Amino acid sequence: EAGVAQSPRYKIIEKRQSVAFWCNPISGHATLYWYQQILGQGPKLLIQFQNNGVVDDSQLPKDRFSAERLKGVDSTLKIQPAKLEDSAVYLCASSLSPPPDERIAELFFGEGSRLTVL
Amino acid sequence: AQTVTQSQPEMSVQEAETVTLSCTYDTSENNYYLFWYKQPPSRQMILVIRQEAYKQQNATENRFSVNFQKAAKSFSLKISDSQLGDTAMYFCAFHAGGTSYGKLTFGQGTILTVHP
Repeated sequence: EAGVAQSPRYKIIEKRQSVAFWCNPISGHATLYWYQQILGQGPKLLIQFQNNGVVDDSQLPKDRFSAERLKGVDSTLKIQPAKLEDSAVYLCASSLSPPPDERIAELFFGEGSRLTVL
Repeated sequence: AQTVTQSQPEMSVQEAETVTLSCTYDTSENNYYLFWYKQPPSRQMILVIRQEAYKQQNATENRFSVNFQKAAKSFSLKISDSQLGDTAMYFCAFHAGGTSYGKLTFGQGTILTVHP
């Protein structure tokens, strides 16, 4: 079974430029997540989609970050304009809807996209 | 809001020995889930083990086991017979259950190095 695919793996940009990351979840996974992992810290949830609807974007800096999930499959995360503090690894994860007797399904992560803002 | 704390930034262990990684958390929830994730260098994060708060029995997955102390809000990971492939960053994570879906709150991580 193919895992969560992300691209690009690495990106270096100047501050105030824009960047976009792409994620293709595991086939059939209804839920998709974008996490931000700053060096030396644990991942932080930016946004969560259920199919193509947003479930939680409370920690997404909406003045510069945007995300969409077209047709409930692939997703893109965009940053415009980028700041130095956006340097991080952006992790995409996906999961099935929880089974009837559980309240959470296992998250499967991609390898991440490492962003360096100069 | 929930918080997760891993107080050991780095740990090291000799191959075949046992190591314990610590995690504490703070929550007012009664039903929740706890996880340990492993993140090898430049590789994707994978689930190591999970524990449901309503289960008193500690979870075990092969060489990995947890010591879940609900009253103390402690959730440590024990790795027995450590292998070189266990070298990775380990994250403790919390899920509040209910309608939180997959929103995980992670600790800062512990870098584990297994020496030959």
